[in-house]
Amino acid sequence: SSELTQDPAVSVALGQTVRITCQGDSLRRNYASWYQQKPGKAPVLVIYGKSNRPSGIPDRISGSSSGNTASLIVTGAQAEDEADYYCNSRDSSGNFWVFGGGTKLTVL
Amino acid sequence: QVQLQQWGAGLLKPSGTLSLTCAVSGGSFSAYSWSWIRQPPGKGLEWIGEINHRGSTNYNSSLKSRVTMSIDTSKNQFSLRLSSVTAADTAVYYCARGNHIVVVTASFDIWGQGTMVTVSS
Repeated sequence: SSELTQDPAVSVALGQTVRITCQGDSLRRNYASWYQQKPGKAPVLVIYGKSNRPSGIPDRISGSSSGNTASLIVTGAQAEDEADYYCNSRDSSGNFWVFGGGTKLTVL
Repeated sequence: QVQLQQWGAGLLKPSGTLSLTCAVSGGSFSAYSWSWIRQPPGKGLEWIGEINHRGSTNYNSSLKSRVTMSIDTSKNQFSLRLSSVTAADTAVYYCARGNHIVVVTASFDIWGQGTMVTVSS
């Protein structure tokens, strides 16, 4: 399968923990990467591999995976975490890239 | 610090050809793949295709018949052409570096600033 599935929207209270999930067959053999996108801006890589953060990404953002499901976890959500989040991986053949449909995170 | 700077025409007429170029500065050109990704207004990200430094390409099957990507290693630039555009091709187009040195941890770690392309008569 070449699809990754995400919930369209998730909300979290300020300071609480939220999990955003991504499902797809390609995740059985590849880790998901996660991107944060704020309005009018290019996406920014926040998690890749098992739970690796590029420089500058706060450690309250982490990742996990199990079977065909990857998760992005925000522990102690802050107002600045409100954004769209996309998952992505190589597909099962390894020749193409696939994106999830995106999850809009609202911090209440 | 690696940067991607992209440019191209922002307004096209239906049936025309979209043309964008992305320049890579500050890093290796040969160790990565180079992709184009688009985002229609209010919608999600769609991968268009990728090219490597040898000129090998992979294209999204839904766009393959209309997409051509090329590379100029002497200038560290790569380009996208999308033919026979319609209003459905209206989107922000991004160039991005694909880092899959370790395939299972592949990611787009560097992105261009994006170019809004509008197709309208």
